[in-house]
Amino acid sequence: SAVISQKPSRDICQRGTSLTIQCQVDSQVTMMFWYRQQPGQSLTLIATANQGSEATYESGFVIDKFPISRPNLTFSTLTVSNMSPEDSSIYLCSVESRLLMDTEAFFGQGTRLTVV
Amino acid sequence: AQSVSQHNHHVILSEAASLELGCNYSYGGTVNLFWYVQYPGQHLQLLLKYFSGDPLVKGIKGFEAEFIKSKFSFNLRKPSVQWSDTAEYFCAVNPRAAGNKLTFGGGTRVLVKP
Repeated sequence: SAVISQKPSRDICQRGTSLTIQCQVDSQVTMMFWYRQQPGQSLTLIATANQGSEATYESGFVIDKFPISRPNLTFSTLTVSNMSPEDSSIYLCSVESRLLMDTEAFFGQGTRLTVV
Repeated sequence: AQSVSQHNHHVILSEAASLELGCNYSYGGTVNLFWYVQYPGQHLQLLLKYFSGDPLVKGIKGFEAEFIKSKFSFNLRKPSVQWSDTAEYFCAVNPRAAGNKLTFGGGTRVLVKP
């Protein structure tokens, strides 16, 4: 299994500011993903963090709002830019571990963001 | 785009009762199927998964799920729940043609009364 550490675990931010969330994995992984879980809702994929290239964003999410970095195979950051109260959510980092032909996704504990 | 539907948003039951949570997906191709659980204050954990083979899969903590391809369903079951099963349960689908991305259902909050 993979152990994922996310920082910060929670934050309260002023609207208009930006927050960078860090995701550190204890082993090299091929795939890293960022999800959002809005209050009372399920998880929605924001983007796939690609090592050495630009992230791949899902419909409804753009790089200017959610810039992502992935400098190596164990680390990624997600920035929530120019925040508004609608960005209040839990943001989760997920990684995929492949064993033979098997695939399993592991999740960090998430970053609970409140924008005021 | 594919979607995943979980039939119940909230379920309340007593200890020792049986639990079944419905999950249906809309995608015509080959899929990998998952059930995740999120206990209060904790991160998502994998309960079980289906990739191929026996459509009845057994997971951790006494949970099992049955893949019925003709019904596009992957329902989760547990014969006798415990108070510690209080959690939110998420069904997730990964269409193999879509790479490794997961599409999640809306989640079902389960409350087990002691």
